[in-house]
Amino acid sequence: DTAVSQTPKYLVTQMGNDKSIKCEQNLGHDTMYWYKQDSKKFLKIMFSYNNKELIINETVPNRFSPKSPDKAHLNLHINSLELGDSAVYFCASSHPTAGGPLFSYEQYFGPGTRLTVT
Amino acid sequence: GIQVEQSPPDLILQEGANSTLRCNFSDSVNNLQWFHQNPWGQLINLFYIPSGTKQNGRLSATTVATERYSLLYISSSQTTDSGVYFCAGKEGAQKLVFGQGTRLTINP
Repeated sequence: DTAVSQTPKYLVTQMGNDKSIKCEQNLGHDTMYWYKQDSKKFLKIMFSYNNKELIINETVPNRFSPKSPDKAHLNLHINSLELGDSAVYFCASSHPTAGGPLFSYEQYFGPGTRLTVT
Repeated sequence: GIQVEQSPPDLILQEGANSTLRCNFSDSVNNLQWFHQNPWGQLINLFYIPSGTKQNGRLSATTVATERYSLLYISSSQTTDSGVYFCAGKEGAQKLVFGQGTRLTINP
C-alpha cells in the first residue's frame, strides 16, 4: 500500500563512516528525487533521476552518490560522513499529471530518513 | 532561480479559528504544491494547484499565477492541523523550490 518508502527511518553513525539510504516507489513514476531538510526545516533538492538517468545535481559534495538500479528505486550513498550531513533526507517521485502540460509533475514524498552523525 | 517566500513564519491559534497562509514566488512557476509536515515529520500532499481554486474538506487553496502568489485557507482549525505548512514552486522541468514554511500551532 505504501507509495514511496525509505529505509532506514533513523540512522545514527560516526564521522568518517559510509552509509546508504534506500528508496522505493510503487506508483509507476519515472522520476525520483532526493531532498535534504536541515535543522531549520529548510528543504532543498539534491538530485533528480528520470528513468535511471541523472537529471539534476544541485552542487552536492562528491561524497554523495545516488544510484538508480531501475526506475522504481533511487538509493543514496554517502561516503566519509561529516557532522554537517546530519539532516532528514526525503525521497520523492513524480510523473506527468494526466491531462496536464508536459511540465506538470506532482511530487510525492517518502517518510524521510533522519541521519545523525556523531 | 525562483524565490519562494511564505508568511507568516509562525501562527498560533485556538481550535476552531480560521487561518490564511500566503506563498509569494519571484517568477513564474509551472506548478505549485502545498504540503503539511506533521509533528512526526511526514510530508503530506495537500494541493497541486498551478492556478485557480481547489477545496478539500476544511482546506482550500487559491493560486493567482499572474500575480505570483498562492493562499492556503484552513477553516475550523483542529489540533491535528498543527505542523509546518510548505509551499513549493516548480522551477524548470522538475525541480521543486520550497518556501521556508509556516509553523502552525493549534491550541485546544
